[in-house]
Amino acid sequence: HVQLVQSGAEVKKPGASVKVSCKASGYSFISNDINWVRQASGRGLEWMGWMNPNSGDTGYAQKFQGRVTMTRDTSISTVYLELSSLRSDDTAVYYCVRNIPAAGTDWFDPWGQGTLVTVSP
Amino acid sequence: SNVLTQAPSVSVAPGQTARMTCGGNSLRSKSVHWYQQKSGQAPVLVVSADSDRPSGIPERISGSNSGNTATLTISRVEAEDEADYYCQVWDSGSDHPVFGGGTKLTVL
Repeated sequence: HVQLVQSGAEVKKPGASVKVSCKASGYSFISNDINWVRQASGRGLEWMGWMNPNSGDTGYAQKFQGRVTMTRDTSISTVYLELSSLRSDDTAVYYCVRNIPAAGTDWFDPWGQGTLVTVSP
Repeated sequence: SNVLTQAPSVSVAPGQTARMTCGGNSLRSKSVHWYQQKSGQAPVLVVSADSDRPSGIPERISGSNSGNTATLTISRVEAEDEADYYCQVWDSGSDHPVFGGGTKLTVL
């Protein structure tokens, strides 16, 4: 049973950083990229970037360049998302998702349960 | 870059058929994927590659892609189908995914 389990909710002040974890199980951790997608309350899905757990290579959406860092610990099959210089509009649910490669028509399955990050003074 | 357009809402009575569309330029040349997100839950893949259903997704849910429009169809709608539905493609130019804005399906 393929599963992604994320860390718990966080409350941060503006300007701080947050680090969210995503632990994979039920498949070979290094075989699939992990992407991160966020969703503000009542809003749609926003892609943030990807990480290759095997090589450590990453790619970030232009909007988050300079503020986002994705890392991994292969010994515990876990990927991390760190977002710095937090603002109130970073308040959202953050999802990790497993990428299913399909010759340039990739999709996501499964999704983690989500981690609510609240940025508030 | 790709822009995917979805109607904000669709309403249907139980037992009827719901059709949700996803529009975009040259969509027929791309594979469209669909996710269902029930209130307070993470999205779940319900259709991949235009029309493939993952294991565990009921046969009442189907997908198609023609011209510039992809369609997710739910037959014999049930109360449990009430959710937001998002379409997604992969933008080969920028090498990242693109999501539609989502359609809220309300079961009357």
